[in-house]
Amino acid sequence: KAGVTQTPRYLIKTRGQQVTLSCSPISGHRSVSWYQQTPGQGLQFLFEYFSETQRNKGNFPGRFSGRQFSNSRSEMNVSTLELGDSALYLCASSSGQRGYGYTFGSGTRLTVV
Amino acid sequence: DAKTTQPPSMDCAEGRAANLPCNHSTISGNEYVYWYRQIHSQGPQYIIHGLKNNETNEMASLIITEDRKSSTLILPHATLRDTAVYYCIVSRVTGANNLFFGTGTRLTVIP
Repeated sequence: KAGVTQTPRYLIKTRGQQVTLSCSPISGHRSVSWYQQTPGQGLQFLFEYFSETQRNKGNFPGRFSGRQFSNSRSEMNVSTLELGDSALYLCASSSGQRGYGYTFGSGTRLTVV
Repeated sequence: DAKTTQPPSMDCAEGRAANLPCNHSTISGNEYVYWYRQIHSQGPQYIIHGLKNNETNEMASLIITEDRKSSTLILPHATLRDTAVYYCIVSRVTGANNLFFGTGTRLTVIP
């Protein structure tokens, strides 16, 4: 079956702009999580959605937001981009059942100039 | 979620077993031990997880001590493609599913 699909793969934006990233989970998976990876901070949890509801949120400013649609596809949005937002943004999906592993996408590489 | 401690780096000869340790002394009864790995510039890949019994799959074996305060991931016959950063994570069974990645162990498989 198809894996987790993230689009676009690469993105270059200017400071102050906003960006929307998309994630299509594995068919049947209802949980989608987002992570930010930077060389300095490593992999950090942003938020998780389950059945269109945000179930948990990491320690990121309100400029980072997300949503999940009824087909489980998810988007994350970053407004008023800063240089420090340059990172690899990873999406992961799971069935949502406790104790099951996550499948990650290949990520979106965002560069803010 | 409980924190984990892993050595920053390890080397392993190709074809030999790679044993990656992880300390999670503050793990609680409702937390699983997960292992993921990340090959450069790719998304993390799930390897294996366990609660208290040892586990084995086609990729690796997971040995969890009886007190659950530490675990070892075993790659039985390491290949060059196993060179990656390996993350040991503990995560709650109940509540929201989110993974707290530490700095992991950078495993280098040497020809």
